[in-house]
Amino acid sequence: QKEVEQDPGPLSVPEGAIVSLNCTYSNSAFQYFMWYRQYSRKGPELLMYTYSSGNKEDGRFTAQVDKSSKYISLFIRDSQPSDSATYLCAPTGSNDYKLSFGAGTTVTVRA
Amino acid sequence: NAGVTQTPKFRVLKTGQSMTLLCAQDMNHEYMYWYRQDPGMGLRLIHYSVGEGTTAKGEVPDGYNVSRLKKQNFLLGLESAAPSQTSVYFCATKLAGEETQYFGPGTRLLVL
Repeated sequence: QKEVEQDPGPLSVPEGAIVSLNCTYSNSAFQYFMWYRQYSRKGPELLMYTYSSGNKEDGRFTAQVDKSSKYISLFIRDSQPSDSATYLCAPTGSNDYKLSFGAGTTVTVRA
Repeated sequence: NAGVTQTPKFRVLKTGQSMTLLCAQDMNHEYMYWYRQDPGMGLRLIHYSVGEGTTAKGEVPDGYNVSRLKKQNFLLGLESAAPSQTSVYFCATKLAGEETQYFGPGTRLLVL
């Protein structure tokens, strides 16, 4: 079993739709939960991250973590064509050198 | 600031040839990483370094070697390339005490 499971998609939605992305993980030591966004033929860049369980909102993006069920979510409201990218979840533990990446979900927002 | 740069951007090798990928950073970060990204597999850690002169194996180290002689540079070597090493290679850096990794633009490698 992989340490982080993420539905690879692809996901295609019309502009303005809500996009829901999810990951599950197995390591209960994970404390930081990151979401990276990767545009085609580019390197990943940090979108946002949360610490421990709870919600965090940043503009149109909301990250949720439920540590009891080891479930991570990212929601994109009012999606735009510029949101078309691959989204990777990446949890990590405190003082851990390494990130554990999900396989990534490719999202296309149709104008 | 250039951030994280990778050289070359694209390379074609024949089976058995060797090459070195260079990662350079100007952010004075202690930690540096080499990943490979393959379809459906996500990012997999090859090797990493927590400081100048130190390296460690990641998830998929076989067939690769690394060196970190200077803090700003992290080299990834393929001694005898194999078609299974066809991939996109990303370098990343991290400041000690923080969680965010900063990625380079990637190197596309095709091994025939």
